[in-house]
Amino acid sequence: NAGVMQNPRHLVRRRGQEARLRCSPMKGHSHVYWYRQLPEEGLKFMVYLQKENIIDESGMPKERFSAEFPKEGPSILRIQQVVRGDSAAYFCASLSTDTQYFGPGTRLTVL
Amino acid sequence: QKEVEQNSGPLSVPEGAIASLNCTYSDRGSQSFFWYRQYSGKSPELIMFIYSNGDKEDGRFTAQLNKASQYVSLLIRDSQPSDSATYLCAVKNNTPLVFGKGTRLSVIA
Repeated sequence: NAGVMQNPRHLVRRRGQEARLRCSPMKGHSHVYWYRQLPEEGLKFMVYLQKENIIDESGMPKERFSAEFPKEGPSILRIQQVVRGDSAAYFCASLSTDTQYFGPGTRLTVL
Repeated sequence: QKEVEQNSGPLSVPEGAIASLNCTYSDRGSQSFFWYRQYSGKSPELIMFIYSNGDKEDGRFTAQLNKASQYVSLLIRDSQPSDSATYLCAVKNNTPLVFGKGTRLSVIA
């Protein structure tokens, strides 16, 4: 996984709770992509961030979802008031030149 | 809507055979093409990327690109049971990667 770190690896939440997913890109990289993968589905782009900037959030639902990548610390994908349909694997990817390298993912289960 | 299409499979090949995985894309302006391998429950792992028309070889893997036909393929020679996975095609044109749903490959020993 080329040094991209994500935590937690597994997260269980009840409906209505908040989920916070963290991603630390490869050392020296300042660009992060977040993707969501539903069971038996492909990866769907959610948001692209640079340090302190959201570059492209066209794939992110308008409500309940937000993302940030502060100057210090990991990128955070936040899902408020989770619903069962949010259950999925969430991957972040670190950008090197033109190539994206993926972290191990966070598997979110909403009960 | 930019789309990337792959046959979902499963594609079954015997050990030692050539596996051929295909992908078509709708955005004619696409510039970069990637193949990722994803084992069940794991994250995608980059296998190859290709930018120019023609073939690009790396070990047992060969990527083929035909921009006129909007078609990219991945050949796996001497397939091994450890190659059994889902193969994701991804396409980029100054935008985030657009992924196909993947083709599930099963290599039978």
